[in-house]
Amino acid sequence: DAKTTQPPSMDCAEGRAANLPCNHSTISGNEYVYWYRQIHSQGPQYIIHGLKNNETNEMASLIITEDRKSSTLILPHATLRDTAVYYCIVRVWQRTGNQFYFGTGTSLTVIP
Amino acid sequence: DGGITQSPKYLFRKEGQNVTLSCEQNLNHDAMYWYRQDPGQGLRLIYYSQIVNDFQKGDIAEGYSVSREKKESFPLTVTSAQKNPTAFYLCASFDSHNTEAFFGQGTRLTVV
Repeated sequence: DAKTTQPPSMDCAEGRAANLPCNHSTISGNEYVYWYRQIHSQGPQYIIHGLKNNETNEMASLIITEDRKSSTLILPHATLRDTAVYYCIVRVWQRTGNQFYFGTGTSLTVIP
Repeated sequence: DGGITQSPKYLFRKEGQNVTLSCEQNLNHDAMYWYRQDPGQGLRLIYYSQIVNDFQKGDIAEGYSVSREKKESFPLTVTSAQKNPTAFYLCASFDSHNTEAFFGQGTRLTVV
């Protein structure tokens, strides 16, 4: 069963905020939400992560709902270089170690 | 600079041959991971290792093997038993103290 679900694609006008949603309705209390992005044929790049509270860094903001069943990644002023596939990920701790469960990603296209 | 290196970037092999993909990190991370990515899809976990001389199967381990003799290195062997080996392979490392997983730039394997 997929731990995260995301819309397959989204468009955003350059300079506007891009809001990428993610559902993780089966997340447990100690499991983190991560966001990475991937430009074609490169390794995924870390964006942000959180557990319960909203988080902000120089790249983006992460808004997590109070029940933690969904989250939204916000790119405040999208540029053409933000065009990429964005993955919402749940990090699960198991006895054998941490595992990262990837969704199928949202392909974001920033339009000039 | 600290980082995670995969080599080679492109690899071609004939059907029926085993092939080994290299992954090296100098981040002093304990955990390392191998993922497979097929076109238009997310990342699926092949194997992971939490510490040296220990590793665990992921969701799609059949037809693959790994070793973890050194902390810095986690090579992946794609055996002839893997039915559809042509794919993009990504290696990652993680340290729970830093909370961010780092990815290599990937190896694109084509079996002909």
